[in-house]
Amino acid sequence: QSALTQPPSASGSPGQSVTISCTGSTSDIGNYKYVSWYQQHPGKAPKLILYEVTRRPSGVPDRFSGSKSGTTASLTVSGLQAEDEGDYYCSSYADGTKLLFGGGTKLTVL
Amino acid sequence: EVQLVESGGGLVQPGGSRRLSCAASGYTFSDNWMSWVRQALGKGLEWVATIKPDGSQTFYVDSVKGRFTISRDNAKNSLFLQMNSLRDEDSASYYCVNGMTAGAYWGQGTRVTVSS
Repeated sequence: QSALTQPPSASGSPGQSVTISCTGSTSDIGNYKYVSWYQQHPGKAPKLILYEVTRRPSGVPDRFSGSKSGTTASLTVSGLQAEDEGDYYCSSYADGTKLLFGGGTKLTVL
Repeated sequence: EVQLVESGGGLVQPGGSRRLSCAASGYTFSDNWMSWVRQALGKGLEWVATIKPDGSQTFYVDSVKGRFTISRDNAKNSLFLQMNSLRDEDSASYYCVNGMTAGAYWGQGTRVTVSS
């Protein structure tokens, strides 16, 4: 099964909002609420920032929000800050037995 | 504080084997699903395998089925990944992750390089 589709890059100026999409299929995003988003800084392990589409782990700022429509999930980062720069990955439960990741989006804060 | 510490990475020849370990602490290991996720150098994340809390079920990405085995020892709070018949494309950093659909905790990763 193919990975989920993310744009390779996204950018925004400090204070702006940026949205990153994650497109799957009816076998994954379209059929499950188990969509997560991870942030990864260079040389570091990924960090969970959203799970079950919209839920934020403790300590994650509410500037990070998620949504889902059909087979596409989205991550919105509001009020961009310099420390938001990094790679972002979506993931989705799939086919009842697998986990798929997106190819990743490099977010640049201009 | 939750900690996941991987070990066992290194250089291995194509066709060889390697066993990765992950030592968990700071939470009730035996209550949690556990997974391995890998990342080739400069590439994205790829889910590899997941095991249920009691070890009764395991799940694998198609590319490692029949070659990799995930297991756990709840008495020792440890997770393992036995990797056999290794290929060049298995070269990656392997992360131990708490959970499957939402990995709240990740280890620092252990690097496996498959090369002759």
